[in-house]
Amino acid sequence: GNSVTQMEGPVTLSEEAFLTINCTYTATGYPSLFWYVQYPGEGLQLLLKATKADDKGSNKGFEATYRKETTSFHLEKGSVQVSDSAVYFCALSAWGNNRLAFGKGNQVVVIP
Amino acid sequence: GAGVSQSPRYKVAKRGQDVALRCDPISGHVSLFWYQQALGQGPEFLTYFQNEAQLDKSGLPSDRFFAERPEGSVSTLKIQRTQQEDSAVYLCASSLWQGQNTEAFFGQGTRLTVV
Repeated sequence: GNSVTQMEGPVTLSEEAFLTINCTYTATGYPSLFWYVQYPGEGLQLLLKATKADDKGSNKGFEATYRKETTSFHLEKGSVQVSDSAVYFCALSAWGNNRLAFGKGNQVVVIP
Repeated sequence: GAGVSQSPRYKVAKRGQDVALRCDPISGHVSLFWYQQALGQGPEFLTYFQNEAQLDKSGLPSDRFFAERPEGSVSTLKIQRTQQEDSAVYLCASSLWQGQNTEAFFGQGTRLTVV
């Protein structure tokens, strides 16, 4: 079936540090890949997406590259800020509509 | 315009009680999804509407769960005879089209606690 796996556990890091959150997927066909973010007290919102192999999605200094050979879509940011503290979800869509399968999410805490 | 609105934001139900959760999608959005998010987990798909047609209900966990969208806008998720395992955040999402790459806009969710 279609599924997403995210690395275990929360991520705590200092301001201006480099952030990586790992995401791998299993899917039939040609999935689209997404990162959604949930800031405290808010709903899920789209951070970035990639719709085919080797595409790079980017937004707000975050990047992720669709790697078909490793079935991965890792999220990176070169210099995090306190305002990046949130829960990050990797997701895929592979049903021909925009139904999403999510990973478990990673809580990111950025310390000043 | 306004985003996706869900009500109530919080609901406490006694075990065995029926509940109804409401979703007001963004005006004009064709697709509407319901997801269930247990504590510490990612959202799990429940059901999908395209306009008023329920095209996929494969994620509904039991026949106690029922969803409708009679006029193709507002949707209601109903849970009959609630059980403790139904405690979760219920998320609604809408999108302009049904294409695989289309951005979904999420509401803030309804947190259901069954006691």
